[in-house]
Amino acid sequence: AQSVAQPEDQVNVAEGNPLTVKCTYSVSGNPYLFWYVQYPNRGLQFLLKYITGDNLVKGSYGFEAEFNKSQTSFHLKKPSALVSDSALYFCAVRDILTSGTYKYIFGTGTRLKVLA
Amino acid sequence: NAGVTQTPKFRVLKTGQSMTLLCAQDMNHEYMYWYRQDPGMGLRLIHYSVGEGTTAKGEVPDGYNVSRLKKQNFLLGLESAAPSQTSVYFCASSDPGARGNTIYFGEGSWLTVV
Repeated sequence: AQSVAQPEDQVNVAEGNPLTVKCTYSVSGNPYLFWYVQYPNRGLQFLLKYITGDNLVKGSYGFEAEFNKSQTSFHLKKPSALVSDSALYFCAVRDILTSGTYKYIFGTGTRLKVLA
Repeated sequence: NAGVTQTPKFRVLKTGQSMTLLCAQDMNHEYMYWYRQDPGMGLRLIHYSVGEGTTAKGEVPDGYNVSRLKKQNFLLGLESAAPSQTSVYFCASSDPGARGNTIYFGEGSWLTVV
């Protein structure tokens, strides 16, 4: 079965510094990978996705993610963190079932705290 | 553009009571999902549907039932609520025909069972 792991419960970074939120995956076949962000008391918002092609994917709010097949990782990055980036971030993978339908598997989430 | 709408947003139930959470999407998506979110456990899939009239079990289906009578609606029912079902519930939808199959979420329903 497909899975994703987010090894850090929380990441702290100073405003203006680069940030990285880590995600590793385990899939058979080519992965469809996603990052979502959740602000307090809100639903999950789509940030970016990797399907195929360029290993560096650009998304919303200045975020990007690097797909690394050899390391089975899909880390979320941003060159310069903002206090407003403080939120809960989820990595997800699409899981294709034997019926040809699919569902999504989410990581446990990483709380990002950007300090002013 | 409403996207995915969940009702109610907040609800307090007594143990043993029943209730239904309603999810509606206006994107004509085939697939719909119900997740629950608990601290330290991320999102866990309860049930999902790949089309009108179909439903399937996810990771944590016990104590829940679902129905997809109309394509745009996906209902989650709790027949006899238990304190362990205190959680935040998220509905989501996706289009299998769209490249990348992005999944879109509602704003959540906060349920407390006392």
